[in-house]
Amino acid sequence: GENVEQHPSTLSVQEGDSAVIKCTYSDSASNYFPWYKQELGKGPQLIIDIRSNVGEKKDQRIAVTLNKTAKHFSLHITETQPEDSAVYFCAASTGAGRRALTFGSGTRLQVQP
Amino acid sequence: NAGVTQTPKFQVLKTGQSMTLQCAQDMNHEYMSWYRQDPGMGLRLIHYSVGAGITDQGEVPNGYNVSRSTTEDFPLRLLSAAPSQTSVYFCASSQGTSGKETQYFGPGTRLLVL
Repeated sequence: GENVEQHPSTLSVQEGDSAVIKCTYSDSASNYFPWYKQELGKGPQLIIDIRSNVGEKKDQRIAVTLNKTAKHFSLHITETQPEDSAVYFCAASTGAGRRALTFGSGTRLQVQP
Repeated sequence: NAGVTQTPKFQVLKTGQSMTLQCAQDMNHEYMSWYRQDPGMGLRLIHYSVGAGITDQGEVPNGYNVSRSTTEDFPLRLLSAAPSQTSVYFCASSQGTSGKETQYFGPGTRLLVL
């Protein structure tokens, strides 16, 4: 089955700096890659996703890049703000078989004011 | 529109006890799933359902049962609780069943098994 590895496990940045979280996946058939943000005491919430037919997608301060050849994808947050502090999860899906997401282990992002 | 709701928010069980974690959604979503979240391990799929009357196993199904008698409800049953089942449990739903749609998560149930 699919295996998703996520790095780093913790990340601390100064307010205004950029943050980058990286994930690799094992199943070359995976073609959908969402990112979820989990605030303390809440369930994860989708913040951005990318499908394998594009290499990059942006939404204001958030961007995701995908390298299908290397089987890795990354989340980029620019001009970080204290409210960006949360746990971020990457995930991958082939849309076949269990038709479910395989999640990475999560990155705890702390933005220092 | 409440989205995905879960009850209880917190539960303490003794080893061997059974209980049911409730999950309901009011978005008429076909796909529902249960995940457990453990430190350093992300979210792991326990069971999922692509519609009423249809369930299937995920990555870590042992010790858990599910049923889907209605579109709205997807309860998770622990038959005989073990300390290894101490975790935070999340229910999620999505409109489609391909696995490539936005998953809407509930607030979670924190379970402690002594």
